[in-house]
Parts: sequence; structure tokens; C-alpha cells
Amino acid sequence: AQRVTQPEKLLSVFKGAPVELKCNYSYSGSPELFWYVQYSRQRLQLLLRHISRESIKGFTADLNKGETSFHLKKPFAQEEDSAMYYCALENAGGTSYGKLTFGQGTILTVHP
Amino acid sequence: DVKVTQSSRYLVKRTGEKVFLECVQDMDHENMFWYRQDPGLGLRLIYFSYDVKMKEKGDIPEGYSVSREKKERFSLILESASTNQTSMYLCASSPQGLLNTEAFFGQGTRLTVV
Repeated sequence: AQRVTQPEKLLSVFKGAPVELKCNYSYSGSPELFWYVQYSRQRLQLLLRHISRESIKGFTADLNKGETSFHLKKPFAQEEDSAMYYCALENAGGTSYGKLTFGQGTILTVHP
Repeated sequence: DVKVTQSSRYLVKRTGEKVFLECVQDMDHENMFWYRQDPGLGLRLIYFSYDVKMKEKGDIPEGYSVSREKKERFSLILESASTNQTSMYLCASSPQGLLNTEAFFGQGTRLTVV
């Protein structure tokens, strides 16, 4: 069975500091991985997906198949990055119908 | 602007009541989902549907059922509400046939069962 683990429930950093939100997964096939974010009073939305290899709002995430990780990183955190972050995995084999398996979530707080 | 709309932001129901949570999307998506969001547990999939009248159980279907009579609407039903079903419920939709597609979420319904 697939599983996504985010070991940190809470993460606090100061503005301008680097931030890394950890995500580890267990899955026997080839995973498709995502980061979703929920800002205060807003709906959950896609931040980035590994296949795109893109940087969104200064965030990047690299898939490390050897370590089965997909950590989210930003070199200089901003106060507006404060939010709940979820790592999610989609089954790339067979017919997944877009089902996502989510981690437990990490609340990031960026202090001024 | 794409939209997934849940009919209620807040609901308070009594134990044993039958509860309907409604979700409508305007993007002509085939896939629709109901998740439950709890602190420390993340989002857990209750049910999903990949076509009209088609449904499949997710990871925590017990105590819930769903209905999809029209493509744009996906309803979650709590047959007999219990206090352990107090939670935030999120509806989502996504297009079918592609990997790595974005899921679009509703604003959530916070259900309290007393």
C-alpha cells in the first residue's frame, strides 16, 4: 500500500531563513508526487508537481527515488509562506482516476 | 475561474441524523472525490467517482455513502451521523485520463455532530 509521511507537524522559521518541509513516501511503482498548500481561509490548492520541475513562489522539490523523498525547499522564507502544506502521491500505474494519498500535513509559520 | 462549490461552510447535526453534503463543479471533470481532513491525519479519501453513477470506496468509507446522478454533482451521505464524524470535509474534482493533473478543491464543509 502506498503511504506518505510528513514527519513535522509544525515548522517555524524566521523571515529570510531557508525552509525545508520533509516528505517521504512508500510505493512500489513509479510515483507521481505533488505539494498542495492551504493558506488561511483559502481552499487547498496545488503548489507544484514533480513532473514539471518548476519553481513556484520560490519553492522547489526534487524527487529522490533512492531515499523515497520529495522534500519542499525555499532558500528565503517569506511571511506569506505561512500555511499548511501537504505532500501527496498519485498511483502512476494502472488506472488511478486521480486518487491522491496525502501526508499528515505540516503547518509552516514564518515569523517576521 | 474554475470552481468546486460545497453547499455549506458549516453544519451542526445531531447524532443519528441523516446528513447530505453537496458538491458541484463547473469544469466538466470526470473524477470527483470526497476527503476528510483531520489534524494530524491529513486528508483521507472517503469515496470517489470516475463517471456518472460510478463510485468506489476510498480508504475510510465506513459510515458514508455517495451519489453521483449528474456529472457535475457529487453528494456525500452520512446515513446516521455519529460524533466521530465531526470533521472538515473536502470535495475535489480532476479531469480523467491524464497523470499529474491538478485536483481542484472546494472550500470545505465543517461538520459538527452533537
